Amino acid sequence: TQLLEQSPQFLSIQEGENLTVYCNSSSVFSSLQWYRQEPGEGPVLLVTVVTGGEVKKLKRLTFQFGDARKDSSLHITAAQPGDTGLYLCAGAPSDSSYKLIFGSGTRLLVRP
Amino acid sequence: GAVVSQHPSWVICKSGTSVKIECRSLDFQATTMFWYRQFPKQSLMLMATSNEGSKATYEQGVEKDKFLINHASLTLSTLTVTSAHPEDSSFYICSAIWGRGDTQYFGPGTRLTVL
Repeated sequence: TQLLEQSPQFLSIQEGENLTVYCNSSSVFSSLQWYRQEPGEGPVLLVTVVTGGEVKKLKRLTFQFGDARKDSSLHITAAQPGDTGLYLCAGAPSDSSYKLIFGSGTRLLVRP
Repeated sequence: GAVVSQHPSWVICKSGTSVKIECRSLDFQATTMFWYRQFPKQSLMLMATSNEGSKATYEQGVEKDKFLINHASLTLSTLTVTSAHPEDSSFYICSAIWGRGDTQYFGPGTRLTVL
């Protein structure tokens, strides 16, 4: 069974600080996606990374896929209260089943 | 594009009754739809994978007779929670993919409360 471990589980920071969320596995994924979820809503896709070593930037968010395609990180620069939410990583197994394996999630609170 | 809707957005029912939740892809034909449940402050847990015109594939530990999934068309999948009990109370979320892509587009979720 492929598992994705996400850390930290909870993060409370002051506005303007930087943070990094990690997503790790012992398994290889064909792609990895990061989602953000607000309370009472479905997850919203932030980015998909496919190539080992790939780095994608979305304004203040930087996503990186590990060289071996087993891990990923999300770095937020100068966090803002609007970044508050649940961040989920999800990996697509390499068996082409189209399923996603979700990490346990990181709950981020950015205090003004 | 790639909008997925769910109906209802929330439902309260009595124990022992059945509840149907609809998942629709509004602007694309979904080759595959997925059903997840999410407990408070937890991540999403995949319940089943549904392909149009065929039986759903359930994850280990998910009772297929309790959670009936019907995927009658390329734009609609339904999840029926039969004989609901309070422990079935949860946030149910569907997603859909188009073609052979990895990207899943998620619905807004349905909050089920069983009294």
